Amino acid sequence: GENVEQHPSTLSVQEGDSAVIKCTYSDSASNYFPWYKQELGKGPQLIIDIRSNVGEKKDQRIAVTLNKTAKHFSLHITETQPEDSAVYFCAAWNTGNQFYFGTGTSLTVIP
Amino acid sequence: DGGITQSPKYLFRKEGQNVTLSCEQNLNHDAMYWYRQDPGQGLRLIYYSQIVNDFQKGDIAEGYSVSREKKESFPLTVTSAQKNPTAFYLCASSWGLGEKLLFGSGTQLSVL
Repeated sequence: GENVEQHPSTLSVQEGDSAVIKCTYSDSASNYFPWYKQELGKGPQLIIDIRSNVGEKKDQRIAVTLNKTAKHFSLHITETQPEDSAVYFCAAWNTGNQFYFGTGTSLTVIP
Repeated sequence: DGGITQSPKYLFRKEGQNVTLSCEQNLNHDAMYWYRQDPGQGLRLIYYSQIVNDFQKGDIAEGYSVSREKKESFPLTVTSAQKNPTAFYLCASSWGLGEKLLFGSGTQLSVL
C-alpha cells in the first residue's frame, strides 16, 4: 500500500514568517493530495488540495506544490498569524480506494 | 446548514461492553468513512461505504463493525473484541471515493 511521510512533526515560527511542511509518498499511482488543518478537539478541515496534473495551487496565504518525479508535495503558509496554529495533515489518494495520511505537523505561531 | 454530525462527543466503555458511535450527514454524499486517530499518528481507516447496504474494511477493521441501512447514516460499533479502543474517532463523507472529505467533529472514546 501507500506510505506517506510528513516532516517536521513540530514547527514554531514567528508571526509574519513563512511555514513549510513537506510530505513524501511511495506509490506513483497516487493522484490527489489534500491538506487538512485540525484544531484541538475538532475534526480536520480541508484547507487546500492538488491533483497530479497540476504542479502548484495557491489560495491567498496558502499554497501547495507537487513534484511527481520526486514524489513529494509541500504546504506553504505565508505571513503566518496566531490563528494558523494547529495540527496540519497531508494525505494521498491512490487506486487502493483510500486516503493515506501523514502523521501530522503541530504548527505554533508565536505572536 | 449541511454537514456531518457525530455523537456523542465523549463516550466511556466498560470492559466487555459494545458501544456504538453515531454519524449522520445531510449532504446527500454517497461515500462515508470511519477513521481512528491516536496521539502522534495519522488517521487510519476502519471502514468505508460507497453505497447503502455495502461497506468495505479498511486497514484496522478488527474489533469494529458498521452498517449502512440509510444513505445519511453510518454508525460504528466498537465491540468487546477491540482490546485497545481508547482513541479519537472521526467520521467523514464525500460525493464519491477519492473526492474531498468532510469530517465530523469526532468522538473521544475512553475505557473505564
